[in-house]
Amino acid sequence: GESVGLHLPTLSVQEGDNSIINCAYSNSASDYFIWYKQESGKGPQFIIDIRSNMDKRQGQRVTVLLNKTVKHLSLQIAATQPGDSAVYFCAENTPPGNQFYFGTGTSLTVIP
Amino acid sequence: DSGVTQTPKHLITATGQRVTLRCSPRSGDLSVYWYQQSLDQGLQFLIQYYNGEERAKGNILERFSAQQFPDLHSELNLSSLELGDSALYFCASSSGLAGGTTQYFGPGTRLTVL
Repeated sequence: GESVGLHLPTLSVQEGDNSIINCAYSNSASDYFIWYKQESGKGPQFIIDIRSNMDKRQGQRVTVLLNKTVKHLSLQIAATQPGDSAVYFCAENTPPGNQFYFGTGTSLTVIP
Repeated sequence: DSGVTQTPKHLITATGQRVTLRCSPRSGDLSVYWYQQSLDQGLQFLIQYYNGEERAKGNILERFSAQQFPDLHSELNLSSLELGDSALYFCASSSGLAGGTTQYFGPGTRLTVL
């Protein structure tokens, strides 16, 4: 049969604008979350993480927000650059194990 | 560069065949994880090894197996290959076993089954 690819949510932003990528996670017992960036043909690259005892964490040009009440995670990228174009995944970890479960991803395109 | 290495980068084989994918974790990491990324399934956890022992299983088919050797490198064996096994296979490593330990991914092996 015909193979159907995942329909990734897409986000297009102008260079220099801020980007917000959202993720709904599935397990209320998850207590550790990572955002990964995956460029075409490459492996997922760690961007930033957050634990459930925090609501917000900032890195270089990136901020992750965690809302446990509605099981929602967001990644904010400031002053988006063409090199930020990629697929972004959120991954959740539910203790006690260290397996991560990944969302479907969001494809970010930065328009120069 | 995450420090995780995988070989080969590309693999093309025929249905019914068997292949072995290799992964070397970051220096000092004891845990190795295998993931499959296909067009219609996204990134799926397959199996985890810690210091040579299997510790967790995900959506891994019985035709697939893995092992971790004393030098901590790991191999994923895929047998009786089917067209649907065509995918990217990623290895990740982490220092610990317990939940909440960051995983770093390798560059992946692209498997094409013809």
